[in-house]
Amino acid sequence: KNEVEQSPQNLTAQEGEFITINCSYSVGISALHWLQQHPGGGIVSLFMLSSGKKKHGRLIATINIQEKHSSLHITASHPRDSAVYICAVRSHSGGGADGLTFGKGTHLIIQP
Amino acid sequence: DAGVIQSPRHEVTEMGQEVTLRCKPISGHDYLFWYRQTMMRGLELLIYFNNNVPIDDSGMPEDRFSAKMPNASFSTLKIQPSEPRDSAVYFCASSSHHRWNYGYTFGSGTRLTVV
Repeated sequence: KNEVEQSPQNLTAQEGEFITINCSYSVGISALHWLQQHPGGGIVSLFMLSSGKKKHGRLIATINIQEKHSSLHITASHPRDSAVYICAVRSHSGGGADGLTFGKGTHLIIQP
Repeated sequence: DAGVIQSPRHEVTEMGQEVTLRCKPISGHDYLFWYRQTMMRGLELLIYFNNNVPIDDSGMPEDRFSAKMPNASFSTLKIQPSEPRDSAVYFCASSSHHRWNYGYTFGSGTRLTVV
């Protein structure tokens, strides 16, 4: 079973700061997801990565397959970015889609 | 598309009662997943289906839990009898298999409280 570790667990920053959240996993994967969960509880898929880097607005996600590590960056952070960010991985499988294994999440608070 | 639709949004029930959670996946998605989220354990996979067939139910906690997918547009997760430790948020998600590029869409979740 894949182990997924996220850091930090909690992060409080000032508006405008550059934010980095890290995720490490223990075994090979077919894909890595970054998810966002707002206080209301809904989960939104931000990115799905299998290599390289993706960018969407102020969000950037990178993955290093050799090092089994991914980062989520937020540039020019804003209070509305406050949420729990969850890293999730899908392990290699024979050809189907396995369910995700989740990290514990990073609770981000951006203060005005 | 209305996204993945779960019902009810909130359920409060007494210990020992049967609870049924419902999910309508996105049309055309061939995978459906049931997840549970608790403060202690975070998000955990319970079971997933491919083309309405259960593939992996190793995450189902015990025999009190059962899940069905009678057709491509509907799935249920049933707990009978319910216990207080089953209190959690239950999420349904669906995805589409296109080569390796799987995208996930989550429902809004059902918050279950067993008293």
